[in-house]
Amino acid sequence: GAVVSQHPSWVICKSGTSVKIECRSLDFQATTMFWYRQFPKQSLMLMATSNEGSKATYEQGVEKDKFLINHASLTLSTLTVTSAHPEDSSFYICSAGKQGYNYEQYFGPGTRLTVT
Amino acid sequence: LAKTTQPISMDSYEGQEVNITCSHNNIATNDYITWYQQFPSQGPRFIIQGYKTKVTNEVASLFIPADRKSSTLSLPRVSLSDTAVYYCLVGYPGGTDKLIFGTGTRLQVFP
Repeated sequence: GAVVSQHPSWVICKSGTSVKIECRSLDFQATTMFWYRQFPKQSLMLMATSNEGSKATYEQGVEKDKFLINHASLTLSTLTVTSAHPEDSSFYICSAGKQGYNYEQYFGPGTRLTVT
Repeated sequence: LAKTTQPISMDSYEGQEVNITCSHNNIATNDYITWYQQFPSQGPRFIIQGYKTKVTNEVASLFIPADRKSSTLSLPRVSLSDTAVYYCLVGYPGGTDKLIFGTGTRLQVFP
């Protein structure tokens, strides 16, 4: 199988601070990873596409300076929420595709962010 | 990316077969149809994927008519643990193509 992990699984931070969330593909290489945000009782909203070795592509309405994405290696992408505010509290999920294999994307377990 | 339409919610009882239909009128020639399952506070989990006709695996079946403008996910003999949100996605998810999630269908299974 293909496993994607996220760290931390949950985090509480104070307003104004920054939080980094890691997404790792454990047993495969992923040139592209995706970051989603999900509010309670709502669907997943794609935030950005993370490309290894290049800049991320952000969806319309997502502030690239607030949500910093770094895809430094073929197995790791990070999402940093800068100057977090309570409205950034959400469930953040990453996914990675295993190229050439069943055309499937594998999702991480998610990270619950609470900003106080 | 083709837009999908699903029922917002469905109820069922244990042991019954559940069929969830998804409409995707603007599906492109190269698009596949993929269904994911999501439990609360977890990432989505792949259920099944198909291009045309019928696909079956150990947990579900996927029926796709010839025009491919809709698809039906069939869950045989559901149990309480099948209570979840089910998402239908259309696209070419070859690892590098983004996925756009619709509203999903919230399935509630009762004892």
